[in-house]
Amino acid sequence: DAGITQSPRHKVTETGTPVTLRCHQTENHRYMYWYRQDPGHGLRLIHYSYGVKDTDKGEVSDGYSVSRSKTEDFLLTLESATSSQTSVYFCATRDSLNLNTEAFFGQGTRLTVV
Amino acid sequence: DAKTTQPNSMESNEEEPVHLPCNHSTISGTDYIHWYRQLPSQGPEYVIHGLTSNVNNRMASLAIAEDRKSSTLILHRATLRDAAVYYCILEVNRDDKIIFGKGTRLHILP
Repeated sequence: DAGITQSPRHKVTETGTPVTLRCHQTENHRYMYWYRQDPGHGLRLIHYSYGVKDTDKGEVSDGYSVSRSKTEDFLLTLESATSSQTSVYFCATRDSLNLNTEAFFGQGTRLTVV
Repeated sequence: DAKTTQPNSMESNEEEPVHLPCNHSTISGTDYIHWYRQLPSQGPEYVIHGLTSNVNNRMASLAIAEDRKSSTLILHRATLRDAAVYYCILEVNRDDKIIFGKGTRLHILP
């Protein structure tokens, strides 16, 4: 593992409330990613970061924002949670864009929006 | 984004070899083939990767076709712990993103 910690691990929130998920890494990896996983859809990329303050959209970015103010932390924010955002969220990190390197994944955050 | 095609599910008996296929007909010359797997209730974990030549590591082997349009992940002796979803991913040069398909769900029969 690349020392990836996702917090919280489980959260239940109400529709319309803001939610922030945190991904913390201790390996000084440059690249960080947020995915969501739903039954029948596999893992879908939400946003990713290629450095401090450098982020870009993934496949399913609507309704999500991210921030990376330090190398070790990548935050995913749902500004106004909806039931369709109920999912398991995974964070990943990668040292470089060298295609000869692997990505490391956290254990996931299960988010339920009621 | 580069695409891969995998069977939705496969089944194998415990202690037998397993061959998981992946088609990637749009692969470019500098794209790497990566495999990850996801055990139940866990995040994905790296298995193996390769460019052109066949690769072996402690977890598995990767056989890459000569035209690189397909590859096969080989688990030499499956155990119950190998039951997971296996993802074949193309790592595209100069692309920051890691895009997953739906993978193959591998069932191991005792």
